[in-house]
Amino acid sequence: QITLKESGPTRVKPTQTLTLTCTFSGFSLSASAVGVGWVRQPPGEALEWLGIIYWDDDKRYSPSLKSRLTITKDTSKNQVVLTMTNMDPVDTATYFCATGIVRNYFEYWGQGTLVTVSS
Amino acid sequence: DIQMTQSPSSLSASVGDRVTITCRASQSISTYLNWYQQKPGRAPKLLMFAASSLQSGVPSRFSGSGSGTDFTLTISSLQPEDFATYYCQQTFTTPHTFGQGTKLEIE
Repeated sequence: QITLKESGPTRVKPTQTLTLTCTFSGFSLSASAVGVGWVRQPPGEALEWLGIIYWDDDKRYSPSLKSRLTITKDTSKNQVVLTMTNMDPVDTATYFCATGIVRNYFEYWGQGTLVTVSS
Repeated sequence: DIQMTQSPSSLSASVGDRVTITCRASQSISTYLNWYQQKPGRAPKLLMFAASSLQSGVPSRFSGSGSGTDFTLTISSLQPEDFATYYCQQTFTTPHTFGQGTKLEIE
């Protein structure tokens, strides 16, 4: 059974750095072609693809956020970490991690975590 | 970035209706097109991948078609549980952009 779950702060202040952890089970991020991605969704708005990290440490980011985003993995812990710097109220959103295992579409999703950016 | 444009943005329909949602890519994406269904407060659910392949467990009333830049998702006979928001996504090249969504409401 494949599961993913996001964890991290529910509230951050403007200009702070957000760190979210995706802990997964049922697959290995050290296996060939496997990737785990991040998607966010502001309240009442559309899904936004943020980035993805692959088994070989290849990383792809949304160009509009690339300067602020870092995605890393800890294969031994079955975790993927998203770091976003200089948070702004417009970054208030539910953040999801997801995977299609060896596919780029997302078959498996975490439940999402709502992050509010407010002073 | 490849822009994905869905139409309509919202749609009212009745149980039993046939409904079609359109997704257009700003450049050719072959058949690297996926569809998701999202209900309030829930994570998206994969419905279709590779434009016309039905994800396991998804009812056969859902179908997808298209290639290149123009794609459609069709629900042949709407059921009460189908009222949700639908998103297309291209995975031809990163960033794997989503459409803006189509909210399907009960008429």
